Amino acid sequence: DVKVTQSSRYLVKRTGEKVFLECVQDMDHENMFWYRQDPGLGLRLIYFSYDVKMKEKGDIPEGYSVSREKKERFSLILESASTNQTSMYLCASSLSGNPEQYFGPGTRLTVT
Amino acid sequence: GNSVTQMEGPVTLSEEAFLTINCTYTATGYPSLFWYVQYPGEGLQLLLKATKADDKGSNKGFEATYRKETTSFHLEKGSVQVSDSAVYFCALYSGSARQLTFGSGTQLTVLP
Repeated sequence: DVKVTQSSRYLVKRTGEKVFLECVQDMDHENMFWYRQDPGLGLRLIYFSYDVKMKEKGDIPEGYSVSREKKERFSLILESASTNQTSMYLCASSLSGNPEQYFGPGTRLTVT
Repeated sequence: GNSVTQMEGPVTLSEEAFLTINCTYTATGYPSLFWYVQYPGEGLQLLLKATKADDKGSNKGFEATYRKETTSFHLEKGSVQVSDSAVYFCALYSGSARQLTFGSGTQLTVLP
């Protein structure tokens, strides 16, 4: 089974802090994705990556950056957390050319 | 651009009732269509999919038919169970965009 793990299930940070969310997948998938999930808005794509050291902006990249130094790991970075970034963050991965994505359990981030 | 519209929730049903969750889409070309399910406290997991017009996806008693003429992919189940309580997301994949576009999600609660 594909396994996608995220570093924390719950995280509380203060406004202005730098926040790192880590995601690791164990199935050698080329593609990795970061989404945020908010009630009534569904999932919105923040960033994605098709290969190591490659990244592309999704629909809502503002206030976020990403890093992919190794194939299995994709990090989401909030350079200076703000309260409007309080949300559920979901990581996903997929094989190249395959639309089916496998999701991690999510990190619920609260910024106070 | 691509978009997915789902019926608004929440939906509350009694056990053994018939379920329909409507989903319509707008896309260029010929997208693949998906239903994902998110159980409480978990990430999303693929429920079923259809890759071309008139295909029927099915899994765990759920079904959805890819209707190109009505641009729809409605989710149905003949007899729901309490364990089906979850959030259901309709999504499309367009090869040109190389990413999934999600609907806003529909919360289903099944009462015993």
